[in-house]
Amino acid sequence: DADVTQTPRNRITKTGKRIMLECSQTKGHDRMYWYRQDPGLGLRLIYYSFDVKDINKGEISDGYSVSRQAQAKFSLSLESAIPNQTALYFCATEAGQGRTDTQYFGPGTRLTVL
Amino acid sequence: QKEVEQDPGPLSVPEGAIVSLNCTYSNSAFQYFMWYRQYSRKGPELLMYTYSSGNKEDGRFTAQVDKSSKYISLFIRDSQPSDSATYLCAMTYYTGNQFYFGTGTSLTVIP
Repeated sequence: DADVTQTPRNRITKTGKRIMLECSQTKGHDRMYWYRQDPGLGLRLIYYSFDVKDINKGEISDGYSVSRQAQAKFSLSLESAIPNQTALYFCATEAGQGRTDTQYFGPGTRLTVL
Repeated sequence: QKEVEQDPGPLSVPEGAIVSLNCTYSNSAFQYFMWYRQYSRKGPELLMYTYSSGNKEDGRFTAQVDKSSKYISLFIRDSQPSDSATYLCAMTYYTGNQFYFGTGTSLTVIP
C-alpha cells in the first residue's frame, strides 16, 4: 500500500551496528506501530505511538527504540544490532480518534544481521 | 497460552475448492475481528473486518464469528490460484487497543 512506505526495503548489517528503519504515511492517521514478523511467531508488537507526544512499549521492545518525528513519520532504531533481530519489520497505521478502524501495513523491511 | 491460536498449515487445495481458515482465542473481551491476507514479500492487507458475532460476506469471502465458542472462520469459495497467500487473523477489544494476531495459515491453491 503506497499510503504507508518503509525504507529501506532490505538491509544487511553486522552485529553491533546501529540501524534505523523509517516509516512514512500519507493516510493522515494518528496511530503508528512497529511489528516484527518471524516464522512461526507471527506479528509481534515492538512499539506504538498514538500521537507525536505518545510512545509506548509493546511486548518485545528490548533492544529497540523509536522516534515519532511528526504525525506522518515513525522510525525504529536498533542501537546495537544482534543476529536474533534478523526478521521482517512492518510499520502500520491506524486512524484512531475514536473511529472504528483497522491497521494498514507498509510493505516491510527485511533486515539481516550477520 | 497464546491469546490467539491459528493453525499454520500449510494448506494446499485444488482450484475451485472451498477453503476454511480458523482461529481460536482465549479472551472473551475481544469485540473486533479481522482477517488479513499477506502475499510473499508484501505487508498484510485487510481482507475482512467484523464486529462482534455473526457473518459477513464480501464476494467469495465470508467471515464468521462465534463468540460463544471463541472461534472465528474465514471461508473462501471457488478458490483461485491468486488466493495463494498467508492469512492472518487479528482481534482487539475495542478501537485503539492493541491488536492480537494469529501466526498465519499458509494457503496454496493449485491450478
